[in-house]
Amino acid sequence: NAGVTQTPKFQVLKTGQSMTLQCAQDMNHEYMSWYRQDPGMGLRLIHYSVGAGITDQGEVPNGYNVSRSTTEDFPLRLLSAAPSQTSVYFCASSPWTASSYNEQFFGPGTRLTVL
Amino acid sequence: DQQVKQNSPSLSVQEGRISILNCDYTNSMFDYFLWYKKYPAEGPTFLISISSIKDKNEDGRFTVFLNKSAKHLSLHIVPSQPGDSAVYFCAASGGQGGKLIFGQGTELSVKP
Repeated sequence: NAGVTQTPKFQVLKTGQSMTLQCAQDMNHEYMSWYRQDPGMGLRLIHYSVGAGITDQGEVPNGYNVSRSTTEDFPLRLLSAAPSQTSVYFCASSPWTASSYNEQFFGPGTRLTVL
Repeated sequence: DQQVKQNSPSLSVQEGRISILNCDYTNSMFDYFLWYKKYPAEGPTFLISISSIKDKNEDGRFTVFLNKSAKHLSLHIVPSQPGDSAVYFCAASGGQGGKLIFGQGTELSVKP
């Protein structure tokens, strides 16, 4: 099992450019999510999904889009990058049950710089 | 509005001694709490968790204590080892099947 994989590891964008951060998992997990990590802020939830075709917003969704067409993949799209989106992005996955918590497995992260 | 707070950005401990990392929360609806450990250039990895119906959970050198009345939890590492040097994140869940609220993290440094 590769677990949770993220590509690319590093990316530099200019303001206004668009890009997609890729996330894939091979554990057949229903739940997938995206977080951003900023100094002094911990990890903040951007978007999450409880299964193919189902997505919802987290704490900081503005400027980001997601879709979930398969169980394995959960890409994060930046439509028009802004310097405020400079951050480290983590994707995570877990089994999902509505009434209890399951351990989340994190990918290695994508370090994004927007100039 | 920070619902989960780790007020100590850093902690330095001597090898073999106890490390105590603290976390406070404000939302009484949280029913599950977790600690994650993060090394540089890697994703966070799950360390230990506790349900709100318990006040202690132990796993080897790691013990998490929960004080619901004070809305406070702590992670004890005994004995501390240099390999424990990392950033530790406290996180809480409100029973919504996965959504986690993280604290800001505490960077632990264990000196040989």
